[in-house]
Amino acid sequence: GAVVSQHPSWVICKSGTSVKIECRSLDFQATTMFWYRQFPKQSLMLMATSNEGSKATYEQGVEKDKFLINHASLTLSTLTVTSAHPEDSSFYICSASPTGDYGYTFGSGTRLTVV
Amino acid sequence: DAKTTQPNSMESNEEEPVHLPCNHSTISGTDYIHWYRQLPSQGPEYVIHGLTSNVNNRMASLAIAEDRKSSTLILHRATLRDAAVYYCILRVLNFGNEKLTFGTGTRLTIIP
Repeated sequence: GAVVSQHPSWVICKSGTSVKIECRSLDFQATTMFWYRQFPKQSLMLMATSNEGSKATYEQGVEKDKFLINHASLTLSTLTVTSAHPEDSSFYICSASPTGDYGYTFGSGTRLTVV
Repeated sequence: DAKTTQPNSMESNEEEPVHLPCNHSTISGTDYIHWYRQLPSQGPEYVIHGLTSNVNNRMASLAIAEDRKSSTLILHRATLRDAAVYYCILRVLNFGNEKLTFGTGTRLTIIP
């Protein structure tokens, strides 16, 4: 089945620094990947849609200059949280799907803690 | 965005069937109905999806109403490992761009 690998699983960083999260589709090509953020006891919130070879599409209220998304190949999308602050601490999750009538596969998530 | 409505929580006894309902009255003709479940501190896991006809797989069954305004996820014999938050989602095709927007989900508790 389709596998999506997300790295790192958890990261702790100092306030003001940047953190990069990788999302890879291991056994299929993904022209589109999705990035979500989830706060404790809440549902997943779609942040942006990552499109291979073009600019990402951000949801309303998501700062594109703060959450930089790069989708340089058909198997890799990255999310960089720039100048992270404690309020950016959250669980970040990516997902992708093979082309066609398939379900989406999600990464295992990245727990970001900004101190 | 296309919306789904689910009960916040449900309980079921172990080894009994579970029927998780979902309403999606604003569904359009090209929207697929997807179900995912999530355990704490993990990414969601795909369960099942369908368009118009009922679907079965090794995990569950999906019953879709004839008018497609509602659907039911059926776990035939619940185990403790089925305790999770279950999300009913519409896969929306919008001008060639897909979206998978999550609602609040149903927290399923399995009673031993």
